[in-house]
Amino acid sequence: ILNVEQSPQSLHVQEGDSTNFTCSFPSSNFYALHWYRWETAKSPEALFVMTLNGDEKKKGRISATLNTKEGYSYLYIKGSQPEDSATYLCAFGGNNNDMRFGAGTRLTVKP
Amino acid sequence: EAGVAQSPRYKIIEKRQSVAFWCNPISGHATLYWYQQILGQGPKLLIQFQNNGVVDDSQLPKDRFSAERLKGVDSTLKIQPAKLEDSAVYLCASSLAKLRGRGYYEQFFGPGTRLTVL
Repeated sequence: ILNVEQSPQSLHVQEGDSTNFTCSFPSSNFYALHWYRWETAKSPEALFVMTLNGDEKKKGRISATLNTKEGYSYLYIKGSQPEDSATYLCAFGGNNNDMRFGAGTRLTVKP
Repeated sequence: EAGVAQSPRYKIIEKRQSVAFWCNPISGHATLYWYQQILGQGPKLLIQFQNNGVVDDSQLPKDRFSAERLKGVDSTLKIQPAKLEDSAVYLCASSLAKLRGRGYYEQFFGPGTRLTVL
């Protein structure tokens, strides 16, 4: 059974702060790492999918890095805004196109 | 492009009752997934379909849960009888992924059904 761990569990920041979360996963048999944003009462929305060691992806103020050799990925949010408040999930993509999710980091951005 | 549709959005039932959830995936997506997300935990895969065949149902509690995907399009997930611990959000997702695609295909999620079992 694959364990995907995320930290911290929850985070409260002030508007304008930059923040980051961690996702750790087994480094063997790596295929892909996905990041999703899940706002309350909405569908989880894909942010990034990363497959190569050293990958860096960016979408607006959000970016992610990947280290497959040591089994971790960081998600960064620059200048947090209240609309960034959501649960951020990472998932390890398996060889059957399945995903194993972490428990998520719940971010609250205070105005 | 229409997204993944799910219904109902909310359901409250008594324990030992039955309940069914419906999912309509994105047109053309061969792979469909049902997840259970219990509060404080990540989504857990219950069952994965490729067209109308089951790829993985190893974590589906088959004594009470069943799922089908008729004609390789819509899918239903049923719980009979429900227990208190089944209270969760049930998410449906679909993907263009083909078998043995090495996990890099994006999954598109519906809004989920929040089930409360009293």
